[in-house]
Amino acid sequence: NAGVTQTPKFQVLKTGQSMTLQCAQDMNHEYMSWYRQDPGMGLRLIHYSVGAGITDQGEVPNGYNVSRSTTEDFPLRLLSAAPSQTSVYFCASRRQGSYTGELFFGEGSRLTVL
Amino acid sequence: RKEVEQDPGPFNVPEGATVAFNCTYSNSASQSFFWYRQDCRKEPKLLMSVYSSGNEDGRFTAQLNRASQYISLLIRDSKLSDSATYLCVVRSTDSWGKFQFGAGTQVVVTP
Repeated sequence: NAGVTQTPKFQVLKTGQSMTLQCAQDMNHEYMSWYRQDPGMGLRLIHYSVGAGITDQGEVPNGYNVSRSTTEDFPLRLLSAAPSQTSVYFCASRRQGSYTGELFFGEGSRLTVL
Repeated sequence: RKEVEQDPGPFNVPEGATVAFNCTYSNSASQSFFWYRQDCRKEPKLLMSVYSSGNEDGRFTAQLNRASQYISLLIRDSKLSDSATYLCVVRSTDSWGKFQFGAGTQVVVTP
């Protein structure tokens, strides 16, 4: 029962570096999303996707890029890392039409930008 | 103003006691409501959905007040394992429903 798998779990970057956070789910969920969580703030939506080839911006999309070439994978790219992007990142997925509306989260990726 | 607001706590609760806390939301068109639980440095997990008529799941009771735009969570007979941060989540009315998260209420159950 893998569910939602995120890699890496920890990463340290220098300002200006780029990197990709990987997210994969094996539940055949149409909807996938990326959130960031900062102290004192709720999870904020960065980007989301409702199916392969379809992505849209969330609340805080600047500095991040996504693509959805398959149902299973939804990578998040940091184009040029900034200290303000130091955060915990969560990938989440859910099934369309889910009665409970439950989001399934990965274990999180803790990113520090120096 | 944040769309979903919660008292951050912490609520320090003796084992066996009852604790209750609220969450307010600003969008009157919000459609669905949930409580998620997040343990320290872990991912959020669904605790329960909140229905218009109120609902219980074991020791947990959730209520929705649409007129005043708040939801509540009550925990009876608190256990040490209930120590966590409880996230209020509100889903909007568009077809896929963007989820708005509160910053969470921390509950600490003490022996």
